[in-house]
Amino acid sequence: DGGITQSPKYLFRKEGQNVTLSCEQNLNHDAMYWYRQDPGQGLRLIYYSQIVNDFQKGDIAEGYSVSREKKESFPLTVTSAQKNPTAFYLCASSIQYNSNQPQHFGDGTRLSIL
Amino acid sequence: GQQLNQSPQSMFIQEGEDVSMNCTSSSIFNTWLWYKQDPGEGPVLLIALYKAGELTSNGRLTAQFGITRKDSFLNISASIPSDVGIYFCAGQRSGTYKYIFGTGTRLKVLA
Repeated sequence: DGGITQSPKYLFRKEGQNVTLSCEQNLNHDAMYWYRQDPGQGLRLIYYSQIVNDFQKGDIAEGYSVSREKKESFPLTVTSAQKNPTAFYLCASSIQYNSNQPQHFGDGTRLSIL
Repeated sequence: GQQLNQSPQSMFIQEGEDVSMNCTSSSIFNTWLWYKQDPGEGPVLLIALYKAGELTSNGRLTAQFGITRKDSFLNISASIPSDVGIYFCAGQRSGTYKYIFGTGTRLKVLA
């Protein structure tokens, strides 16, 4: 089945620790995205990648980093510089960035602070 | 970043009732998407709209692209308990490729 797989489902971070959230897609999509979801708010864009080896900052990139070494993979690192990391993180992909094609989402990773 | 206004924020309805919700913006949009999100899961695409005035159905769901291109509407007919969840709109502003997401409408269905 084609889709987007995020792991782990739940993640706990200690003070001063970096953690990495995994996102893999087998839809052959060029574009991938990371969003943060907080209660009562819409999705906010952290980073996006139009194509392999490319990525751009979104609206709230501070304290986060990404890489796009393979088309199917777009991991997100939440660094210790992100002072309020507790949130639900959603990865998405679309056929192309420069189009009106919809984005499809994974099932999310919930990150909490220990 | 900009977010879209969704209304209502939440609603309780009786099973079998029809539901209406909307999404508005001060900007013109080229594309509107409607998603449903169940607790602890990612949003699932319900309907995509690409033209002003377009009316598209998906089972009991019908969505419309407002003729002013600044709003969109989602209707659910004869609601059932599994309609419970959060419904999000997303719009792609004219001249950009970025999607902006609404704040969500939380739907609760009373059996």
